[in-house]
Amino acid sequence: NAGVTQTPKFQVLKTGQSMTLQCAQDMNHNSMYWYRQDPGMGLRLIYYSASEGTTDKGEVPNGYNVSRLNKREFSLRLESAAPSQTSVYFCASSRTALNTEAFFGQGTRLTVV
Amino acid sequence: GQQVMQIPQYQHVQEGEDFTTYCNSSTTLSNIQWYKQRPGGHPVFLIQLVKSGEVKKQKRLTFQFGEAKKNSSLHITATQTTDVGTYFCAGRENKLVFGAGTILRVKS
Repeated sequence: NAGVTQTPKFQVLKTGQSMTLQCAQDMNHNSMYWYRQDPGMGLRLIYYSASEGTTDKGEVPNGYNVSRLNKREFSLRLESAAPSQTSVYFCASSRTALNTEAFFGQGTRLTVV
Repeated sequence: GQQVMQIPQYQHVQEGEDFTTYCNSSTTLSNIQWYKQRPGGHPVFLIQLVKSGEVKKQKRLTFQFGEAKKNSSLHITATQTTDVGTYFCAGRENKLVFGAGTILRVKS
């Protein structure tokens, strides 16, 4: 049972390049989330999907787009990467949006040069 | 919008000392969750508090939820080196919003 799987684990991009971070969960969870983690800033919510077919902005959505491809998969896209998007990105899922624990992937360390 | 503030940002204690981190929300929360992240790792769920004034214990860890459901605390008794990491609270509404976390370092 893999839980939440993120790919890639590491990525270096040049400013202006685009890329998609992939996330898949095998726990039949309804809700999925994307966070970024920067030193001293904690985990900041980028986008979330409370259920399949819905997506909503979090605290820091600018510069990102998401797709809830199906119940299992929730991808995060950077259309034109900027150095300010250098961060560690975590995907998470939970059974429901309201009162269940979140399970996190191992994270993607992204550097934009 | 929903905001969760957490203090202190950083604490360095001697092994055996107690540790407390505090969490405050700008809005009333339906529930609050606590997570621990080991250095280089990902956040792992510890506990969820739902009821006003609720207190839960996990071995040396004590979690409290305030009467107004706008604040919470995590207290660790007699810290050990295995307690090292960052402790996050998270406010649970339709989305899960995290505080900035408290980094705990334990000196042996």
